[in-house]
Amino acid sequence: AQSVAQPEDQVNVAEGNPLTVKCTYSVSGNPYLFWYVQYPNRGLQFLLKYITGDNLVKGSYGFEAEFNKSQTSFHLKKPSALVSDSALYFCAVRAPNTGNQFYFGTGTSLTVIP
Amino acid sequence: GAVVSQHPSRVICKSGTSVKIECRSLDFQATTMFWYRQFPKQSLMLMATSNEGSKATYEQGVEKDKFLINHASLTLSTLTVTSAHPEDSSFYICSAKKGGWDSNQPQHFGDGTRLSIL
Repeated sequence: AQSVAQPEDQVNVAEGNPLTVKCTYSVSGNPYLFWYVQYPNRGLQFLLKYITGDNLVKGSYGFEAEFNKSQTSFHLKKPSALVSDSALYFCAVRAPNTGNQFYFGTGTSLTVIP
Repeated sequence: GAVVSQHPSRVICKSGTSVKIECRSLDFQATTMFWYRQFPKQSLMLMATSNEGSKATYEQGVEKDKFLINHASLTLSTLTVTSAHPEDSSFYICSAKKGGWDSNQPQHFGDGTRLSIL
């Protein structure tokens, strides 16, 4: 079965400090991995994806994520957090050859403290 | 590009009313659209996958007769909550994807519809 885990419900970080939002996955075969951000009362916005190639993926708004196959992780990172980065972040996985279904993590609420 | 528009953004109605939510892909053709439900402080729960020109595929536990989905064109899918009751109150989000069945393209989401049933 495919699944995604985001072990932290809440992450707090000071403005200007690096941030990490964790994600681990369980999937058969090579995964397709995604990060989305959600602002209050809004849908999800696509940040970045890993399909194949370089393990370090760069995305929107200065975010990046590193695919680690041995640890089955895909942590989201940013070198210097902004207050405007405060939002809800979702990791998602899709297994190849399973069609369209994405499996979302439970989300991590990020608060950047001024 | 890849803009998905969802309408209405918020609806409040009486119990027993049927409510229709529209999801449109504005600048691309979406062979497949998805409908999710999100409870407060929880993740998205996939309700159904909508394919243009065919019947939607519903996830286990989702009532087909309660949540009617129509995907009549490559740019429009609708979700109708029939005879809505207070327990149907939730945040409903649609998404659409470019490409075919096994495309590795990301899903692009609408801004959601806050449904409140009194």
